[in-house]
Amino acid sequence: DTGVSQDPRHKITKRGQNVTFRCDPISEHNRLYWYRQTLGQGPEFLTYFQNEAQLEKSRLLSDRFSAERPKGSFSTLEIQRTEQGDSAMYLCASSPPRGASANEKLFFGSGTQLSVL
Amino acid sequence: EDKVVQSPLSLVVHEGDTVTLNCSYEVTNFRSLLWYKQEKKAPTFLFMLTSSGIEKKSGRLSSILDKKELFSILNITATQTGDSAVYLCAVETDSGYALNFGKGTSLLVTP
Repeated sequence: DTGVSQDPRHKITKRGQNVTFRCDPISEHNRLYWYRQTLGQGPEFLTYFQNEAQLEKSRLLSDRFSAERPKGSFSTLEIQRTEQGDSAMYLCASSPPRGASANEKLFFGSGTQLSVL
Repeated sequence: EDKVVQSPLSLVVHEGDTVTLNCSYEVTNFRSLLWYKQEKKAPTFLFMLTSSGIEKKSGRLSSILDKKELFSILNITATQTGDSAVYLCAVETDSGYALNFGKGTSLLVTP
């Protein structure tokens, strides 16, 4: 499978625990995005990486959320001290270097469904 | 604040019907409008529109943009049960890196 891969597919955790999700983008894609989607809503942008540089992080929901892409390949999204309101689908997407429009070639992974009890 | 509004939010039709999904937007520095289909989990790309009045077509699906009135429509003719999905509209601007998504239209095609 050469698409965007996310792990795990599902995560159930207790309130207050930390969770970490992983995203492996398509190999030649240097741009990586994290989105959050709740039931009945469209995806909500969280953060963006170009190679290993995190160029946009102001839309991360709180300081409990952080993301890394240390070697410019895979990325992790961590949520510390989870709350019930964090329950959502966390989607990763990647795209190749910007051409006419990078978003035309935005490929999404299948997401990690987080449930906080 | 940028806004993307889709209507209707949900729709049930019979196989063979034609449907029209709507997307209106209010954004700063518009660059493009995109349509995605979301079945189960991952949204998949359908169309990108940048110019008014030019129809994009793929099989039974087509879409057009009106930059004066700030909206786009997605048409699906001769619907099939496999068209059942959430259809997402998103707007890209020159101001940042994010796509701004609407809430989506949930389409159910019944046999």
